[in-house]
Amino acid sequence: NAGVMQNPRHLVRRRGQEARLRCSPMKGHSHVYWYRQLPEEGLKFMVYLQKENIIDESGMPKERFSAEFPKEGPSILRIQQVVRGDSAAYFCASSPQARGRTDTQYFGPGTRLTVL
Amino acid sequence: GNSVTQMEGPVTLSEEAFLTINCTYTATGYPSLFWYVQYPGEGLQLLLKATKADDKGSNKGFEATYRKETTSFHLEKGSVQVSDSAVYFCALSDPSGNTGKLIFGQGTTLQVKP
Repeated sequence: NAGVMQNPRHLVRRRGQEARLRCSPMKGHSHVYWYRQLPEEGLKFMVYLQKENIIDESGMPKERFSAEFPKEGPSILRIQQVVRGDSAAYFCASSPQARGRTDTQYFGPGTRLTVL
Repeated sequence: GNSVTQMEGPVTLSEEAFLTINCTYTATGYPSLFWYVQYPGEGLQLLLKATKADDKGSNKGFEATYRKETTSFHLEKGSVQVSDSAVYFCALSDPSGNTGKLIFGQGTTLQVKP
C-alpha cells in the first residue's frame, strides 16, 4: 500500500510565478490536510478537504492561496504570484475516516518550495 | 485558543541515555495527543498517540502518558540510540469543530552521540 505521495519534492519559483503542489492520498483515504512548515518552526494547519469539498480553510492566507481535491486526481495546493515569504516545506496528510479527532494522519514527504 | 508547547532544543545525549522531551498543551474539550518524528529531509511519521486521559501510547521503546491533570504528554525513552536523532513534534487534534486538524508544537531536535 503506497503511502501519501507528493510532487514535486523540490520546487523553485521566481517572485510573481505560480506554484502548484500535488498530493495523492493513501489508497482508500478521502480526507486530505495541508500544512506549512516555515524554517525552524512547527507545522501550521492550512486547509482540510474531502473529495470536491473544502471543509476547513481557516489556516489559509486570504489571498493568492487556493486548494482543491477533485473527484478524480490528486489534491492541488496553488499559490499565485509567489513571494519570498512563501518559501517553506508544504506537507500533505491523509486520513481514512470522516472528521474523526482520533484518526491518524499519514504524512507525505513534503514539497520544499524556494522562491528566488 | 488551543496550543502545544514543547521544551526547546537541541537536546544532546549520549547513546543509551534516558530521554525526556516535555510537552504541555492548552485545549478546550478533549483532544487526542500525538508524537510525530521527522528525520532529515523527510516527512512526519506517527510515533505514538493517546486518545483519552491516562492512556499510554508506546512504540519502538518510546512512551508518553496523557495526563489531563497536568495537561502534559511528555515523551520518554529509556535508552536512546544514534538512529533516534531527529526532530520530535508533539501535537493535538483540535477538538473544536471535530475536523481532526492537528496543532503542533515547535519541535524538539534530538542529537544522540555515539
